[in-house]
Amino acid sequence: KAGVTQTPRYLIKTRGQQVTLSCSPISGHRSVSWYQQTPGQGLQFLFEYFSETQRNKGNFPGRFSGRQFSNSRSEMNVSTLELGDSALYLCASSASGTAFYEQYFGPGTRLTVT
Amino acid sequence: LAKTTQPISMDSYEGQEVNITCSHNNIATNDYITWYQQFPSQGPRFIIQGYKTKVTNEVASLFIPADRKSSTLSLPRVSLSDTAVYYCLVGYSSASKIIFGSGTRLSIRP
Repeated sequence: KAGVTQTPRYLIKTRGQQVTLSCSPISGHRSVSWYQQTPGQGLQFLFEYFSETQRNKGNFPGRFSGRQFSNSRSEMNVSTLELGDSALYLCASSASGTAFYEQYFGPGTRLTVT
Repeated sequence: LAKTTQPISMDSYEGQEVNITCSHNNIATNDYITWYQQFPSQGPRFIIQGYKTKVTNEVASLFIPADRKSSTLSLPRVSLSDTAVYYCLVGYSSASKIIFGSGTRLSIRP
């Protein structure tokens, strides 16, 4: 089986712009979660989707949003980008149907905001 | 406020057993603890998971004491390829919160 794929792998944006990141989970996995990783804050949970519904949400501002499609693919959107949004954004999928159990991570999208 | 802490770094030698501890508070009896390994430029990779006492798989063991205020990842006979950052993750099911530990950078020497 193919692993979790994320596109694009690298992205450079300017403050104030918005960005959309894409994630394709492992075939058959219906739970998709998103994480932000920075040197200062480490790994932080953004949100989790299951069957097109947001199930859990971390402590991030409303500028961060996501959605999941009927084929389980997911997108994450960040509006009005700030310099502090520069990070590695990781997507993970789970066969168990929840991020509380074993997850498979993609390689991430490196976002740089200038 | 849920908080999960780990040692920043650890050093060991090939062939040794390494134990990495994660301290967590307010964890319920059915909250799972999961450990992940991360290499540079890669996403984290699942190692082991459990919610009580001891769990063992082909690569590691996980120990959770009765008070559930900490958990310990045990890596038997480490090799150079085990040099990585190790993260614990606690899933607080009642609060629907997922908290990663700060990560432990493990360095293995020949």
